[in-house]
Amino acid sequence: DAGVIQSPRHEVTEMGQEVTLRCKPISGHNSLFWYRQTMMRGLELLIYFNNNVPIDDSGMPEDRFSAKMPNASFSTLKIQPSEPRDSAVYFCASSLDRAGGYTFGSGTRLTVV
Amino acid sequence: GQQLNQSPQSMFIQEGEDVSMNCTSSSIFNTWLWYKQDPGEGPVLLIALYKAGELTSNGRLTAQFGITRKDSFLNISASIPSDVGIYFCAGQFNQAGTALIFGKGTTLSVSS
Repeated sequence: DAGVIQSPRHEVTEMGQEVTLRCKPISGHNSLFWYRQTMMRGLELLIYFNNNVPIDDSGMPEDRFSAKMPNASFSTLKIQPSEPRDSAVYFCASSLDRAGGYTFGSGTRLTVV
Repeated sequence: GQQLNQSPQSMFIQEGEDVSMNCTSSSIFNTWLWYKQDPGEGPVLLIALYKAGELTSNGRLTAQFGITRKDSFLNISASIPSDVGIYFCAGQFNQAGTALIFGKGTTLSVSS
């Protein structure tokens, strides 16, 4: 199993540009989570899908952030327009059930200059 | 929002020493989990606990789910250099629409 696959691994963009982060969950997993990690705030849940349906997006910082899961094997997190304070590592994770541990991807390190 | 208090924030130990870290919460959780994160990678699940009082081991790692369901600890025995990393506790309510809530992490450094 290839695990949870995220792309790109690193992204450097200028303020105001659109950024799209991608995630391929583990085949067969029915829940997908987007987290953001910073030194100050640790791991924060942004949004969570179950069976491709967004369940809880209360962690999405503001309207500049949006996430989609068009099918069971793909999800995107988009930031438009990006700002320097969005700089962080963004993780995608998937699980088979809502309960229990997740499998995390290797993350996307985003730098907005 | 919900918060987990994880301590200590960092630890510097000698190879061979035992390590203990813990998490407390103001809320009751149905599941406690412990993860380890290596530099440049995502967190990896170490141990999952599903019942109050449960004590579970994974090699040199031992974790317990507190009786009150508001705390958990992780012990590492006879530390080795590859134990270096950030350890996170996480709690879950196991209810529809809930996700893992993470502590801020314990950074472990091991000198040989």
